[in-house]
Amino acid sequence: GENVEQHPSTLSVQEGDSAVIKCTYSDSASNYFPWYKQELGKGPQLIIDIRSNVGEKKDQRIAVTLNKTAKHFSLHITETQPEDSAVYFCAASIGGSSASKIIFGSGTRLSIRP
Amino acid sequence: EAGVTQFPSHSVIEKGQTVTLRCDPISGHDNLYWYRRVMGKEIKFLLHFVKESKQDESGMPNNRFLAERTGGTYSTLKVQPAELEDSGVYFCASSQGGYEKLFFGSGTQLSVL
Repeated sequence: GENVEQHPSTLSVQEGDSAVIKCTYSDSASNYFPWYKQELGKGPQLIIDIRSNVGEKKDQRIAVTLNKTAKHFSLHITETQPEDSAVYFCAASIGGSSASKIIFGSGTRLSIRP
Repeated sequence: EAGVTQFPSHSVIEKGQTVTLRCDPISGHDNLYWYRRVMGKEIKFLLHFVKESKQDESGMPNNRFLAERTGGTYSTLKVQPAELEDSGVYFCASSQGGYEKLFFGSGTQLSVL
């Protein structure tokens, strides 16, 4: 079946440095790619999303890039801060124009070292 | 505005027992999703409601799982009888526009012993 692979599973970076999380997807018809952040004791929260007709999108310290040819997309967090510590999930829509759901990667636990 | 509410937050039951999870979506959200995360793995799709109708239940593991959405408002997910492999965190999410911009609840941590 269709799947989304996410790497790394854990990531530790020094405060102020950048963090990059990478995902690949299998469904060539996927056209929507959101990223969710899950803090301790809470549910996942949408932080940024991108559509397949866009190669890059930025929102303050967060950016997402998409390579449709390679079926790769990545989350970039610059100038990391302690509050960035969380589990991050990438996801992709499946089913093309008749898509009704998104499927998720296995998550990346990001830790920011002071 | 109230967010997505799930109840209970934790449930510990023995194998063979029945458990019912409840989700109250954001008011006005026609789309309601159930997902499950087994420790360390992906958040896996279970099913999707549009109002009271099941749009897609392809992710439901087997017939021990039954989901309902009464009157297009709250939803319940019943597991009967529960097995050890049903343990995990069950998330509910709702949205106005299908799979985009989902709002998640805090989840129900289910432990089957």
